[in-house]
Amino acid sequence: GQQVMQIPQYQHVQEGEDFTTYCNSSTTLSNIQWYKQRPGGHPVFLIQLVKSGEVKKQKRLTFQFGEAKKNSSLHITATQTTDVGTYFCAGQKTSYDKVIFGPGTSLSVIP
Amino acid sequence: ETGVTQSPTHLIKTRGQQVTLRCSSQSGHNTVSWYQQALGQGPQFIFQYYREEENGRGNFPPRFSGLQFPNYSSELNVNALELDDSALYLCASRLAGGLEQYFGPGTRLTVT
Repeated sequence: GQQVMQIPQYQHVQEGEDFTTYCNSSTTLSNIQWYKQRPGGHPVFLIQLVKSGEVKKQKRLTFQFGEAKKNSSLHITATQTTDVGTYFCAGQKTSYDKVIFGPGTSLSVIP
Repeated sequence: ETGVTQSPTHLIKTRGQQVTLRCSSQSGHNTVSWYQQALGQGPQFIFQYYREEENGRGNFPPRFSGLQFPNYSSELNVNALELDDSALYLCASRLAGGLEQYFGPGTRLTVT
């Protein structure tokens, strides 16, 4: 079945350092979504990517979708303590299909 | 606020019992998905409902069942509860074909 993997599982960074998490799907995706879940909270939608090679930016966050539409990355520049949480990628084979989540990357930021 | 609500917030049940969890989707969202999230893991897809019919299911046994109602509310029913069913249960709604899912706050189920 369809699988979505993420690395690393955990990342501890000093405040101000950059952070990157990588997402890889076993199948080609129609789109990939990124969510952030704060400790004790629920996943919150960040962004979706639909085009091969697409790059989107949200302030200090940069999202990329691979050319083959099987992988993606999230890069945070100059992390802040407010970036703490678990970042999940999630993919669909079609926009009407189920959304499959990766296991997430837990980010800790040391002030 | 996502406009998606879930009840109850917390629940404690005994192994073998049955439980019903409820979700009220954002108005106009005709697709609802249910997820199980164990501690430290990503949300695992249980099933998806579109216009009151199940149209996608993950690797969960038949004792996990659901309903979706015309008023954008839905239910997740779990029979014969097992200890491993202890988890956070999340519902998420979206427009069919839409990419952005709106999650509810979840129901924390503990099975003893």
